[in-house]
This record gives sequence, structure tokens and C-alpha cells, in this order.
Amino acid sequence: EIVLTQSPATLSLSPGERATLSCRASQSVRSHLAWYQQRPGQAPRLLIYAASNRATGIPARFSGSGSGTDFTLTISSLEPEDFAFYYCQQRADWPLTFGGGTKVDIK
Amino acid sequence: EVQLVESGGGLVKPGGSLRLSCAASGFTFSDYDMNWVRQAPGKGLEWVSSITTGSNYIYYADSVKGRFTISRDNAKNSLYLQMNSLRAEDTALYYCARISSLTSNSYGSGAYDYWGQGTLVTVSS
Repeated sequence: EIVLTQSPATLSLSPGERATLSCRASQSVRSHLAWYQQRPGQAPRLLIYAASNRATGIPARFSGSGSGTDFTLTISSLEPEDFAFYYCQQRADWPLTFGGGTKVDIK
Repeated sequence: EVQLVESGGGLVKPGGSLRLSCAASGFTFSDYDMNWVRQAPGKGLEWVSSITTGSNYIYYADSVKGRFTISRDNAKNSLYLQMNSLRAEDTALYYCARISSLTSNSYGSGAYDYWGQGTLVTVSS
């Protein structure tokens, strides 16, 4: 099983600041990695697919990078609605797995 | 507008059974691989099962293999999850999720571009 480790567990920042979230895979997933945002009480929302492609309707302040085992989600300037949980997910091999999540909260 | 609406959750005793349904609308259901993903209260996301468009390929997480059965009825635009021998650790919000055609590998995996709002399954005596 491919284990995805997200860091940090919690990121405390202020609106307007830059957020950098990490996802590390226990073995290569090539570019088969996605990022999701989940706000309290809501279903997850796809942000990034194939490591660096923004999903439909996702603002340009969200960007993804990386390949192999190390991936980054960057939010260039945090808006109030961006304070939420973020999960990475790989589809390179079965079972499909998610990272444990990073909570971005208001400092 | 794409919509996925889950139903069938509830309170069940350990060892009991439930059948979850997911009604799809706003897209050609038969063209998309579908998955079930769950989230235990206060926890992260866990993939449960995948099914391809024609039900040719089906996969399960080890934690549910032999107890859960995924199926679909393309004529009814519906996805199902039959859950037997339920355990306390199966307590979770169960989401149905559509695999994005941009990321599908035709074996049932990919990124999830649409999710339902979930149906809560509680296993407790």
C-alpha cells in the first residue's frame, strides 16, 4: 500500500499569506496525485489533478507541483474561504489512498 | 448540473446489513467509473470500493473485502453498496464519487471530480 504523509498537520496563517502544504508518498506515484479541499460539513472538492492541473473553476491562487514521491500544494494568498482541510490522494496503485490531511486555520 | 445523492444510511447493530444507494443525474452515468469513499467522524478520507462503467472491474479496500459489494444499474443511473457483517469501525459518512474522465485509467481509479453529500452509517449496539 502506498502511504501518503501530509505535513504539517496544522498550518496557522493569516489571510493574505502564502500556504505551502506537502504530501510525500512512500513510493513513486509518478504524477498520479490529486488535492482536495474540505470545508466543515461539506464534501471534498477537487482542486488539483495529475499533480499540477487545476480542476474546473478552481482559482489561480491554487497551484500544485511535484512528481514521484514529493508534492506541494501552494495557495499564493489565503482568502477567508480557504481555511479548511486539505487532502492528497494517489491513484497510481491499488488500494487508492489518501493522506491524513492538513488543516489550514486562521492565526 | 451534476448531482450525486446518497441514501440508505442509518443505525444498525454489529453484524447487521445495510444497502446504500447513490442516484446520479446531470451527466451520462454509464460513461463514468464510480467509487465509494468514507470518512469516520472527525477522521480523514478512506477509499472503499471502485467499479468501472460496465462493471467489468471492481476493487475493494482490504478492510471491507468479503463483506461489502459494489454494483451499479446504468439504466437507473444508480450506484449501490451492499454492506454485510457490519462492524463498529465501519461507522462513517459514506460518499459516492465520480471519477474524472481526465484522470480515469479505465480500471476504476482516478481523481474524484464530483461527490455526493454523503449518507451516515452508524454501527452500534
